[in-house]
Amino acid sequence: NAGVTQTPKFQVLKTGQSMTLQCAQDMNHEYMSWYRQDPGMGLRLIHYSVGAGITDQGEVPNGYNVSRSTTEDFPLRLLSAAPSQTSVYFCASSLTASTTNEKLFFGSGTQLSVL
Amino acid sequence: GESVGLHLPTLSVQEGDNSIINCAYSNSASDYFIWYKQESGKGPQFIIDIRSNMDKRQGQRVTVLLNKTVKHLSLQIAATQPGDSAVYFCAENTGGFKTIFGAGTRLFVKA
Repeated sequence: NAGVTQTPKFQVLKTGQSMTLQCAQDMNHEYMSWYRQDPGMGLRLIHYSVGAGITDQGEVPNGYNVSRSTTEDFPLRLLSAAPSQTSVYFCASSLTASTTNEKLFFGSGTQLSVL
Repeated sequence: GESVGLHLPTLSVQEGDNSIINCAYSNSASDYFIWYKQESGKGPQFIIDIRSNMDKRQGQRVTVLLNKTVKHLSLQIAATQPGDSAVYFCAENTGGFKTIFGAGTRLFVKA
């Protein structure tokens, strides 16, 4: 059972380049989300999804797009990377999308540097 | 949880002692609270949770206390071990499917 899988683990981009961070879970979880983690700070929510075809914005959505075409996959797209997007990105999922929420299962992260 | 800027609060304890990590949360309407542990180079991992209709919950070597009056959450780790060295985050669910994290506390365990 792989859990939450993120690829790539490391990525270096030039300003203005685009890329997609991949996230997949094999636990049949309804809820998936993306966080970024900057030094000395907690995790900040970028976007989340409560099911296939449904996405919504978190705390810091600007500069990022998401889609949820299947239950398993929740890719995060950077259309034009900026140095301010240098961060470690975590994908997380939970079993249901209840408003009372449940514990999150996290991937191992993608370390992104934008030069 | 509170943001404390660029420097994580740090707690240093002797192996075998008890650790207490504190967290202040921001939203009085939050109804679900979670503690996560993050080891270097890994994603956060669930430790223990508590709902707002409780004030204490115990797990294996860990206890979470919730004081809604002052919006304070604490994590107690009994008989701290070197493997407990990590960054600990409190998180709150503010409703609307969003889990919001605090800035974290780094725990060092001295052998």
